[in-house]
Amino acid sequence: GIQVEQSPPDLILQEGANSTLRCNFSDSVNNLQWFHQNPWGQLINLFYIPSGTKQNGRLSATTVATERYSLLYISSSQTTDSGVYFCAPIHTGNQFYFGTGTSLTVIP
Amino acid sequence: ETGVTQSPTHLIKTRGQQVTLRCSSQSGHNTVSWYQQALGQGPQFIFQYYREEENGRGNFPPRFSGLQFPNYSSELNVNALELDDSALYLCASRDTSTDTQYFGPGTRLTVL
Repeated sequence: GIQVEQSPPDLILQEGANSTLRCNFSDSVNNLQWFHQNPWGQLINLFYIPSGTKQNGRLSATTVATERYSLLYISSSQTTDSGVYFCAPIHTGNQFYFGTGTSLTVIP
Repeated sequence: ETGVTQSPTHLIKTRGQQVTLRCSSQSGHNTVSWYQQALGQGPQFIFQYYREEENGRGNFPPRFSGLQFPNYSSELNVNALELDDSALYLCASRDTSTDTQYFGPGTRLTVL
């Protein structure tokens, strides 16, 4: 399998602030998804992004596959953004490899 | 709303017992994966089923087994439960047209 490292492990933001979450992976990937896990455990798809840049509202993501990293940008953060963010690359087959995530707390 | 459902939501078992967890995938998604998420960790891949056959397995012992049915439902069975099996169990179905996976809400298993 591949190793996935996410940083920072914990992040506390004031509402309205911006942030960048980073995901490094140890080998080439066929696919990569970013997920948000809410406090009830539900994993919600944010992006399918094996390469390039995508934007969805206040969120955007960039994957540079040749340099083995992906970034998730959150702008104008809201309290509902709180939770754990996971990146999950697929190396071979269809198995996601999850990192330990970034735990985000947005305070009003 | 991902269209993937799991049951039960919570479950309490004692060590040595057996448990069956259920998942209903979105219609048309013929690939389902199961993951175990321990507290404070990321999900770990247990196995995957494609058209009712296991076609990938993570580092889990044989007492973790599964079934997939033609109606897009699946089961995870765990025999001889151990305390360390306490975790959130997630199933995910795959949309091959977009190559994305959609997770259910999970079953939280507690082994006493």
